Amino acid sequence: NAGVTQTPKFQVLKTGQSMTLQCAQDMNHEYMSWYRQDPGMGLRLIHYSVGAGITDQGEVPNGYNVSRSTTEDFPLRLLSAAPSQTSVYFCASSYSGAPARTEAFFGQGTRLTVV
Amino acid sequence: GDSVTQMEGPVTLSEEAFLTINCTYTATGYPSLFWYVQYPGEGLQLLLKATKADDKGSNKGFEATYRKETTSFHLEKGSVQVSDSAVYFCALSGGSQGNLIFGKGTKLSVKP
Repeated sequence: NAGVTQTPKFQVLKTGQSMTLQCAQDMNHEYMSWYRQDPGMGLRLIHYSVGAGITDQGEVPNGYNVSRSTTEDFPLRLLSAAPSQTSVYFCASSYSGAPARTEAFFGQGTRLTVV
Repeated sequence: GDSVTQMEGPVTLSEEAFLTINCTYTATGYPSLFWYVQYPGEGLQLLLKATKADDKGSNKGFEATYRKETTSFHLEKGSVQVSDSAVYFCALSGGSQGNLIFGKGTKLSVKP
């Protein structure tokens, strides 16, 4: 089973460049989310989606856009990368709504460096 | 707002030692509580969870009890192994959508 797949695993961007981090899950999960992990900060929620066509902001949404056109995919877009967005990004999904009720499955992460 | 505070690491133990990682929380209502583990180079995996007061979650020798009176969910294991070396995150489900709110993580290193 593939589970949650994130691409790329590593990326280096120059300040001002744009890119999209891809996330796909094959478990037919309704809920998907993006987190960033920074040293000493734990994981912080960027955006989340409770189903296709529905997205909402998390704790740290500024500088990021998302869309959810299908159940399987939840891409995260950086429109104009900044050094402050250097981080490890994790995508997660869970069945039947929020992780409160069911286990969240995480991808292996994307390590992004903005220079 | 809702938050999770867990003991700062890193924690270094010898194999077969007893492990406790403290976790306390602040939340409105009655959140579910979780411990997630992140092995080197991997994403997070659910280790255990508890959904109501006095529930005990357990998995792979790890245990944690949901203590409403002390707002705590401390992680324990009686005898750690080198393979338990990882970063451990305490989390709760918060807000109207039950999103996961994480502590800062505790890095555990177990030496042979």
